[in-house]
Amino acid sequence: EVQLVESGGVVVQPGGSLRLSCAASGFTFDGYTMHWVRQSPGKGLEWVSLISWDAGITYYADFVQGRFTISRDNSKNSLYLQMTSLRTEDAALYYCAKGLGFAIDDWGQGTLVTVSS
Amino acid sequence: EIVLTQSPDFLSVAPNEKVVVTCRASQSIGSSLHWYQQKPDQAPKLLIKFASQSISGVPSRFGGSGSETDFTLTINSLKAEDAATYYCHQSIILPLTFGGGTKVEIK
Repeated sequence: EVQLVESGGVVVQPGGSLRLSCAASGFTFDGYTMHWVRQSPGKGLEWVSLISWDAGITYYADFVQGRFTISRDNSKNSLYLQMTSLRTEDAALYYCAKGLGFAIDDWGQGTLVTVSS
Repeated sequence: EIVLTQSPDFLSVAPNEKVVVTCRASQSIGSSLHWYQQKPDQAPKLLIKFASQSISGVPSRFGGSGSETDFTLTINSLKAEDAATYYCHQSIILPLTFGGGTKVEIK
């Protein structure tokens, strides 16, 4: 059974930084593209970033370019999202998700990021 | 960026009735369109992949159709546990995008 467990979400001030982590199990982690997707409270789903199986390819939504960095450690079955220069509009539940090619099949339960002074 | 427009935004449907949700893409995406179900306080769950391909463990009352720019999610014989928000998602052109969601309420 695929399991994706996110962590690292906290309350942070505008302009602050944060690193989210996702621990993966139940599948061959280094064989899959991985994604971060976010959802603001009461709102829809918003794709954030993806990373290929070998970290050779990364893509970002325009709204996070230059502020967020996606990475992975296949030896630890872990996915990360380094977030800097956080804005109030970045406040959301951040989901780690397993890729189906560039599509998404399995999702974690999310970790909540609050940006507030 | 590909914009996915879902309609309607909200549906209130009696049990055992049929539900049809549409998703229109702003440009052709072939069959790279997927449907998710999200229940309150839960993560999304993949229902249909590549427009019409079924997913193991998903009830057969859920079906998908369409190609290029027009897609449909059909729920036959709606059950109480189908109350949720449904999202479409395209995976062929970056940035990846989602539809705005369709909330289905059980009458």
